[in-house]
Amino acid sequence: NAGVTQTPKFRILKIGQSMTLQCAQDMNHNYMYWYRQDPGMGLKLIYYSVGAGITDKGEVPNGYNVSRSTTEDFPLRLELAAPSQTSVYFCASSYLPPGENTGELFFGEGSRLTVL
Amino acid sequence: DQQVKQNSPSLSVQEGRISILNCDYTNSMFDYFLWYKKYPAEGPTFLISISSIKDKNEDGRFTVFLNKSAKHLSLHIVPSQPGDSAVYFCAAGNGNKLVFGAGTILRVKS
Repeated sequence: NAGVTQTPKFRILKIGQSMTLQCAQDMNHNYMYWYRQDPGMGLKLIYYSVGAGITDKGEVPNGYNVSRSTTEDFPLRLELAAPSQTSVYFCASSYLPPGENTGELFFGEGSRLTVL
Repeated sequence: DQQVKQNSPSLSVQEGRISILNCDYTNSMFDYFLWYKKYPAEGPTFLISISSIKDKNEDGRFTVFLNKSAKHLSLHIVPSQPGDSAVYFCAAGNGNKLVFGAGTILRVKS
């Protein structure tokens, strides 16, 4: 029972490089999310998806792109890496929207990205 | 503009005592609140939740209290155990999005 799997766990990028953070879930969840966590800060929502083919912006979408071609996968793309994107990225999924008794988010272990 | 604030970066408690973690929010439109726990090198895991129509929810050693008039919620852990040492995030939501606080590091000393 893998849950939410993120790859890679660690990556160092040079300014201007591009990369994709992969996220896959095997729980048949409709909802998927990408968060970033900066030191001393809470998790901030980058993008989310309510189902295959549907994505929407969160609080901090600039510099990122996402796609959701299947229920299982929700990759996050950084096109032109900048030092401000140095962070820990968490992918999460839920079967229903977040709420009191429904849709608790299941998180991956995180991907630590450093942009130099 | 931090809508969810956890003003205590860290808290140290003796094993067996009560741990109280606090959280304040500014948006009166939030209609549910959750607490997540995070160990190093792992993703956050769901702990307990409460809807805005309740003022208390209990699950074993964990109780969450909500004071809507003060826009304040707290997580009580009693008795605290060394395995409870982790970062605790408060989160508030309305619809599809959750807003997280910065977290409080709880250390339970044995």
